[in-house]
Amino acid sequence: AQSVTQLGSHVSVSEGALVLLRCNYSSSVPPYLFWYVQYPNQGLQLLLKYTTGATLVKGINGFEAEFKKSETSFHLTKPSAHMSDAAEYFCAVSELANQGGKLIFGQGTELSVKP
Amino acid sequence: EAGVVQSPRYKIIEKKQPVAFWCNPISGHNTLYWYLQNLGQGPELLIRYENEEAVDDSQLPKDRFSAERLKGVDSTLKIQPAELGDSAVYLCASSVQWNTEAFFGQGTRLTVV
Repeated sequence: AQSVTQLGSHVSVSEGALVLLRCNYSSSVPPYLFWYVQYPNQGLQLLLKYTTGATLVKGINGFEAEFKKSETSFHLTKPSAHMSDAAEYFCAVSELANQGGKLIFGQGTELSVKP
Repeated sequence: EAGVVQSPRYKIIEKKQPVAFWCNPISGHNTLYWYLQNLGQGPELLIRYENEEAVDDSQLPKDRFSAERLKGVDSTLKIQPAELGDSAVYLCASSVQWNTEAFFGQGTRLTVV
C-alpha cells in the first residue's frame, strides 16, 4: 500500500525566508503526487501536481516541488515566504486505477510565517 | 464556475442522533469523493463514486455510515446513530476522472456532544 510521510508537523519561518516542507512517499510504482493547501475553515486547494514528465513542478503562489524518484521525495519549496502563506499544507499520492484511484494524504504540516 | 458546494457548514448534534451531509459537485465531474478529516490529520477517503456507482467504500463504516449519489450528481452522506468519535470535518471533492485534480468543498464540521 502507498503511504505519505510529512516530516515536521509544524514549520516556522520568517517573512522573506525560504520555505521547505518535506514529503516522502512509498510506492512500488510511479505515483501521481500532489501538494494541497488548507486555510482555516476552508477546503483544500491544489498547489501543484506531478504526473509525468518534468520532475520540477511549478504551482500557484510561487511554490514549486521536485519529484526525486531515487529519494522517494516530493518536497515543497518557495524562495521567499509571505505572511499569506501561513496555512496547513498536505502532500498526497494518488494510487493507480487498479488500486482504487484515491488520494492518500500525509498528516499535514502547519506553516507559520513570522513578521 | 461554481465550486463544490457542501451543506451545512457546521452541525452540532447529540450522540445517537442521525445526521446528513449534502454535496453538490462541480458540473461535469464524474468522480465524487467523501473524505473524513480528524483534527490535526490529513483527510482519509470514506467513499469514492464514479458517476452513481460506489467504486471504493472499503473505509466507510457501514454499520452506521451510508452514502448515495442519485443520478450521478449530488451526494448525501449519512451517519446513524452518531457517536462522539464522529466529530470531525467531512469533506466532499469532485474531479473529472479519478486521476485528475480533485476540487474540494469547504467541508462540514460535525460536533457530536
